[in-house]
Amino acid sequence: EVQLLESGGGLVQPGMSLRLSCAASGFTFSRYAMSWVRQAPGKGLEWVSTIHSDESTYYTGSVRGRFTMSRDNAKNMVHLQINSLRAEDTAAYYCAKEGYSSTKLDPWGQGTLVTVSS
Amino acid sequence: SYVLTQPPSVSVAPGQTARITCGGNNIGRRSVHWYQQKAGQAPVLVVYDDSDRPSGIPERFSGSNSGNTATLTISRVEGGDEADYYCQVWDSISDHHVFGTGTKVTVL
Repeated sequence: EVQLLESGGGLVQPGMSLRLSCAASGFTFSRYAMSWVRQAPGKGLEWVSTIHSDESTYYTGSVRGRFTMSRDNAKNMVHLQINSLRAEDTAAYYCAKEGYSSTKLDPWGQGTLVTVSS
Repeated sequence: SYVLTQPPSVSVAPGQTARITCGGNNIGRRSVHWYQQKAGQAPVLVVYDDSDRPSGIPERFSGSNSGNTATLTISRVEGGDEADYYCQVWDSISDHHVFGTGTKVTVL
């Protein structure tokens, strides 16, 4: 069974940094792209970033330059380094596994909550 | 950037059919995926590549995609189908995943 487990969320002050992690199991991790998707309270889903099996990365415009996604194939983990946090980064952050020959996101982890507030 | 538009809400009586649309420019040329998100839970894939169903998803969930509109159809709606539903595509021009605005399905 494929499982994804996020960690690292919490309450942080504006301008601070945070590192989110996602532990994966149940599949050949190194072969799949992984993504982060966030959801602000009461709002819709917003794609944040994707890292492919070749470690190429893509980001949505509002986070480019502040967020860095990486992967550790030896530990079956992806990370999201978030710098210069802003109030608008407050959200639940989900990691998701991409399809091998499809752009679907399945499954998703349970999410980790990031709250940016002074 | 590519935009996907969904109706904010759809209401349906139990046993009836709910249809949720996802509008985008020439969306019929893209693969569309649909997610169900119940309150307080993570999203779950219910339809992928326009019309395929993951294992464990009831046959009541089906999808279609043509022209400028993709549609998720929920037949014989049950109370447990009450949730937010999102469509999603990959925009190869910008290398972005794009989500629809979301539709809240209410079972009357």
